[in-house]
Amino acid sequence: GDSVTQMEGPVTLSEEAFLTINCTYTATGYPSLFWYVQYPGEGLQLLLKATKADDKGSNKGFEATYRKETTSFHLEKGSVQVSDSAVYFCALSDHNTDKLIFGTGTRLQVFP
Amino acid sequence: NAGVTQTPKFQVLKTGQSMTLQCAQDMNHNSMYWYRQDPGMGLRLIYYSASEGTTDKGEVPNGYNVSRLNKREFSLRLESAAPSQTSVYFCASPSLAGGLGEQFFGPGTRLTVL
Repeated sequence: GDSVTQMEGPVTLSEEAFLTINCTYTATGYPSLFWYVQYPGEGLQLLLKATKADDKGSNKGFEATYRKETTSFHLEKGSVQVSDSAVYFCALSDHNTDKLIFGTGTRLQVFP
Repeated sequence: NAGVTQTPKFQVLKTGQSMTLQCAQDMNHNSMYWYRQDPGMGLRLIYYSASEGTTDKGEVPNGYNVSRLNKREFSLRLESAAPSQTSVYFCASPSLAGGLGEQFFGPGTRLTVL
């Protein structure tokens, strides 16, 4: 079945460092891809999404490009802040359903 | 407009006790979901409801029951709690405007079963 694989964390960075969190997926169809963020003590929030190959999702300085040839959707940010410390989840959904399949999550810790 | 709300926020149970987790959404969405979140496992779907009056099993339904009381409310019941059900539980509801897969999440219920 469909699945999502994320790099294990925690990822520990200094403020203003470059961030990459890897995400690859396996799907039989042409899924939509998502990054969700979970701040401490809160529920998940949608960070960005891409619905077809070569689409780039972006929000709050974060970007991810839907790469069909490598089945990847890596999350990047050029300069992280302490306030970006959170758990990041990659997810996919089939176009025929609104169900999501999540990766295991990657914890990001940013220090001043 | 509160979005998705959940009660309680925290709960401690003894093995064998029962409880119901409540979820409500005020966005007039058809679908609602229950997930559990465990360390290293991500979010796993317990049950979902595609519309009022319908419910279906997800990936990990054993030990749980659900009720879609009306369009707004979707409850999750543990009839006889077990330590393996210690987890954080999230209710979610898809956004109609955002397209397929984009979901709004509640703040979660942290459950400990002793």
